[in-house]
Amino acid sequence: GAVVSQHPSRVICKSGTSVKIECRSLDFQATTMFWYRQFPKQSLMLMATSNEGSKATYEQGVEKDKFLINHASLTLSTLTVTSAHPEDSSFYICSARDRDSGNTIYFGEGSWLTVV
Amino acid sequence: GDSVTQMEGPVTLSEEAFLTINCTYTATGYPSLFWYVQYPGEGLQLLLKATKADDKGSNKGFEATYRKETTSFHLEKGSVQVSDSAVYFCALSRTGGFKTIFGAGTRLFVKA
Repeated sequence: GAVVSQHPSRVICKSGTSVKIECRSLDFQATTMFWYRQFPKQSLMLMATSNEGSKATYEQGVEKDKFLINHASLTLSTLTVTSAHPEDSSFYICSARDRDSGNTIYFGEGSWLTVV
Repeated sequence: GDSVTQMEGPVTLSEEAFLTINCTYTATGYPSLFWYVQYPGEGLQLLLKATKADDKGSNKGFEATYRKETTSFHLEKGSVQVSDSAVYFCALSRTGGFKTIFGAGTRLFVKA
């Protein structure tokens, strides 16, 4: 079946640095991908919708200059957390829409980010 | 806008007990409904889904029926196991694969 892969699964970075998380659709083309954030013991909150070849659409309250999203190909979207701070530590998870299978949504495994 | 409301946890049960986690939704049109499970330290896994009214999704002994009249999609399992301990998320998505709206999640603890 379709698989969405995220990398890295866990990353620790220092405050002030930037970190990139990749989301890949492994056996289908995804014109649309979604990025979510999950705080400890809370639900998943949509951060942005990533569309291939165009700018991402950010949800209200999400800083677009801090969370840079690039969807340069039909199988890859990246989320870059710029100038990371400890409060950015969270679980980030992506999903991808498979247009060729009835717009089914597949989720990645998620990425744990710890900023120290 | 669309929203999902599910019962607060945590829910603590003994092994082999019956499980119900309530979920109701608000949405225009006919969304697809999902239950996802998140085991400790892991990502989301799709547990089951239903795409139209009166559909029943089932997987691994879990079931949920899409009830349009009550806008509900309650999750049930007849006999839980310790390995079912996890967080369960009810969710909806509009037809066409739009963004997924999640409920707050319900944490389930199953004691041996």
